[in-house]
Amino acid sequence: KQEVTQIPAALSVPEGENLVLNCSFTDSAIYNLQWFRQDPGKGLTSLLLIQSSQREQTSGRLNASLDKSSGRSTLYIAASQPGDSATYLCAVISGANNLFFGTGTRLTVIP
Amino acid sequence: DTGVSQNPRHKITKRGQNVTFRCDPISEHNRLYWYRQTLGQGPEFLTYFQNEAQLEKSRLLSDRFSAERPKGSFSTLEIQRTEQGDSAMYLCASSRDSPWEQFFGPGTRLTVL
Repeated sequence: KQEVTQIPAALSVPEGENLVLNCSFTDSAIYNLQWFRQDPGKGLTSLLLIQSSQREQTSGRLNASLDKSSGRSTLYIAASQPGDSATYLCAVISGANNLFFGTGTRLTVIP
Repeated sequence: DTGVSQNPRHKITKRGQNVTFRCDPISEHNRLYWYRQTLGQGPEFLTYFQNEAQLEKSRLLSDRFSAERPKGSFSTLEIQRTEQGDSAMYLCASSRDSPWEQFFGPGTRLTVL
């Protein structure tokens, strides 16, 4: 069964700092990987999708990379802002059609 | 707004009652998914539809849970004889075929007293 792990579980950084969130998965036979943002008590907002044939995707200040062979992905956030404070979730699709989620990294950006 | 919508947003019920949630996917999406999320955890898959066909169900979906997607449009998730352990956020998502990028609704928060 696919298992997804996110490290760290929580992270606090001062505003303006660049940061990296990590995601690892046990089964490298994935179709794609998605990064989401979740604000407290809210649904999930899709940030980036990386297909299995791709190595990275960029959107604004966000850059996500994928290394299928090692079962790892990173989400890089440049010049962090207080509005970036949220929980970031990594999820993969492999075999079945559903997403397997990690437990998330709770990010706090301190003004 | 053409995103995924869910109703109600909050539901409080007493143990043993039945509840039903509704999800309206993005109109051109043929795939629809239900997930459950408890506090501090990532969402867990419950079931998946392709058009009107329910193609996959998680072992989390006990026989008290039933989901439908008549005519391949909106979907309903019903929980019969609710238990306190059913308290959670129920999330709906939809996608097209490949690359299956999923878009989520705001969720329905269920509290069973």
